[in-house]
Amino acid sequence: DGGITQSPKYLFRKEGQNVTLSCEQNLNHDAMYWYRQDPGQGLRLIYYSQIVNDFQKGDIAEGYSVSREKKESFPLTVTSAQKNPTAFYLCASSQHQENTEAFFGQGTRLTVV
Amino acid sequence: AQSVTQLDSQVPVFEEAPVELRCNYSSSVSVYLFWYVQYPNQGLQLLLKYLSGSTLVKGINGFEAEFNKSQTSFHLRKPSVHISDTAEYFCAVRKSGATNKLIFGTGTLLAVQP
Repeated sequence: DGGITQSPKYLFRKEGQNVTLSCEQNLNHDAMYWYRQDPGQGLRLIYYSQIVNDFQKGDIAEGYSVSREKKESFPLTVTSAQKNPTAFYLCASSQHQENTEAFFGQGTRLTVV
Repeated sequence: AQSVTQLDSQVPVFEEAPVELRCNYSSSVSVYLFWYVQYPNQGLQLLLKYLSGSTLVKGINGFEAEFNKSQTSFHLRKPSVHISDTAEYFCAVRKSGATNKLIFGTGTLLAVQP
């Protein structure tokens, strides 16, 4: 089945450690996105990529890094510089055309312990 | 700056009653509008979208929305809700001619009571 796969579903991290969240899509979409979701704040854009080997910062990129070496993959690294990393992280993808919707993965819940 | 406003953080409603979830956006150019639903601990699923043409858009699960350009609104409606409609609903906008950023509102929790 075509779709977006995020792994793991639940992730625990100790303070001061970096952690990488995986996002893979087989929809042949050019654009991919990472959002952070906190209660009462909706979805906030962390990074997005419109093409391989290119990506742009979203509204809350500080403390995060990404790479886009393959069209299918857009991993997100939460670094130790992120002050409050505990959140629900959602990956999405879409075709490049502006009049298309985004498709979402099932999310990764990251908890810092 | 482009933004999306969902004024109601939570909407309680009894089963089989009608419901309207409000969404307003700000943009000086044409936009594309979307409504998504999110069930607990899951990703977002597209309910419906407005791209062009008829301002009344029908989606899945009996939902519909009306695009009103003069009021910059895209309210979501359902004539009769079910317990299973309990979820969080997000309005989103993508600006015409810009990058492919999809901007979301803060969400509305629809709580259907028996």
